[in-house]
Amino acid sequence: DGGITQSPKYLFRKEGQNVTLSCEQNLNHDAMYWYRQDPGQGLRLIYYSQIVNDFQKGDIAEGYSVSREKKESFPLTVTSAQKNPTAFYLCASNLNGRGMGGRELFFGEGSRLTVL
Amino acid sequence: GQNIDQPTEMTATEGAIVQINCTYQTSGFNGLFWYQQHAGEAPTFLSYNVLDGLEEKGRFSSFLSRSKGYSYLLLKELQMKDSASYLCAVSLNTGFQKLVFGTGTRLLVSP
Repeated sequence: DGGITQSPKYLFRKEGQNVTLSCEQNLNHDAMYWYRQDPGQGLRLIYYSQIVNDFQKGDIAEGYSVSREKKESFPLTVTSAQKNPTAFYLCASNLNGRGMGGRELFFGEGSRLTVL
Repeated sequence: GQNIDQPTEMTATEGAIVQINCTYQTSGFNGLFWYQQHAGEAPTFLSYNVLDGLEEKGRFSSFLSRSKGYSYLLLKELQMKDSASYLCAVSLNTGFQKLVFGTGTRLLVSP
C-alpha cells in the first residue's frame, strides 16, 4: 500500500542533542513538507521541497535542517538551536500539480518529540 | 498576515447535524481544504473547494463563499467515530502548495 511512513513515532531527547526524524513516501510524489503541530495552534510549515536536491524554508525554519537526496525521503533534523522543540511533527507530500489531484496533501502518522 | 478562524470546540449528539465554520483573511486564495484528524493521528483529507458553492460527499458537505471569506463543513447523521478535530486550511497563491491552517475545531459526539 502506498503511503508516508514516519519514524520514530515517539522520541525523547535531552537538551542540547540533535535528533533526526525520518519521513519516507512511496507515492511517487514530487513535493514533501514538514509541519509542526502544537496544542492550540494550527499546523505550521517548517520546510518544504518541491524536487530532489532542492528545499526551502517555511515559516518556522529556525533550529531545523532538512535534506532531499532522494525523491522518497525527506528527513528533518531538530537541532539544539531549536528553543522549544517539544511538539508533534507531521510529514506530508503531494504531486505538486496544478489540478486538484496535485493539491491534496497526504500526511504521515506523525512523530512526537519530547525534550527532557 | 494570514488569519484563519475556527471555533475551538463543539459538541453534538449522535445522529444530529453539525456545522463547523471557518473564516479566513489571507493574501491570495487558491482553494480551501478541510481535514479530519483523530487524536495523535495523521490528518486525512475531507474536501476541497475552490469555487463558490456547496460540495457534497456522502455525510459530509463543504461550502465556500470567496467574497465573504467563509466556509463551513456540514456533518450529517453524526456517528461516534466523527469525534475528532476538523482542520480548515487555505491554499495560497504561491509557486508551491502552501497551506495555512486554522487551529482546528475539536468535535465531541455524545450518545
